[in-house]
Amino acid sequence: NAGVTQTPKFQVLKTGQSMTLQCAQDMNHNSMYWYRQDPGMGLRLIYYSASEGTTDKGEVPNGYNVSRLNKREFSLRLESAAPSQTSVYFCASSVGRSTYEQYFGPGTRLTVT
Amino acid sequence: GQQVMQIPQYQHVQEGEDFTTYCNSSTTLSNIQWYKQRPGGHPVFLIQLVKSGEVKKQKRLTFQFGEAKKNSSLHITATQTTDVGTYFCFTGANSKLTFGKGITLSVRP
Repeated sequence: NAGVTQTPKFQVLKTGQSMTLQCAQDMNHNSMYWYRQDPGMGLRLIYYSASEGTTDKGEVPNGYNVSRLNKREFSLRLESAAPSQTSVYFCASSVGRSTYEQYFGPGTRLTVT
Repeated sequence: GQQVMQIPQYQHVQEGEDFTTYCNSSTTLSNIQWYKQRPGGHPVFLIQLVKSGEVKKQKRLTFQFGEAKKNSSLHITATQTTDVGTYFCFTGANSKLTFGKGITLSVRP
């Protein structure tokens, strides 16, 4: 099992460009999450999907959109990238929401210039 | 506001010393999870605590949930260089999914 995979691993964007971060899990998990990690800020939840067909905003959703394509895949889209979105993005999945351990992908390091 | 607080954000210890860190909340928590992130890596689940006063051990790591379920501690006995990393607490209390800001542990050999 690959666990949680994320693509790309690194990306550089110019301000105003758009891109989609891809995430897939092969553990048959119901819940999936997108976090961003900035120095000194810990992990902040952007969006999550408690189950296939549902998505909810987290702590910092502005400037992002998500799609739960199917049970395996959960993508994060930046429509118009801004320098403030420079961060490391982690996707995670769990059997269920909140009381189950989360499995994280390796992360995507995004720089917006 | 933040559900769980971790202070300080950095701690440096000499190899062999014990280390304790805390995760605090102003509200009662349904559960606490602890994760470890090695430098350059991704967070990895360590443990979950659910019951009041619960204590769990993993080799040199001891985790405890407070009696009032408003705080949790992580204690490492005789730290080793392999303990280096950032330790985060997480809770799904009150329908909010929140990580603490973490404490980064460095160990001097």
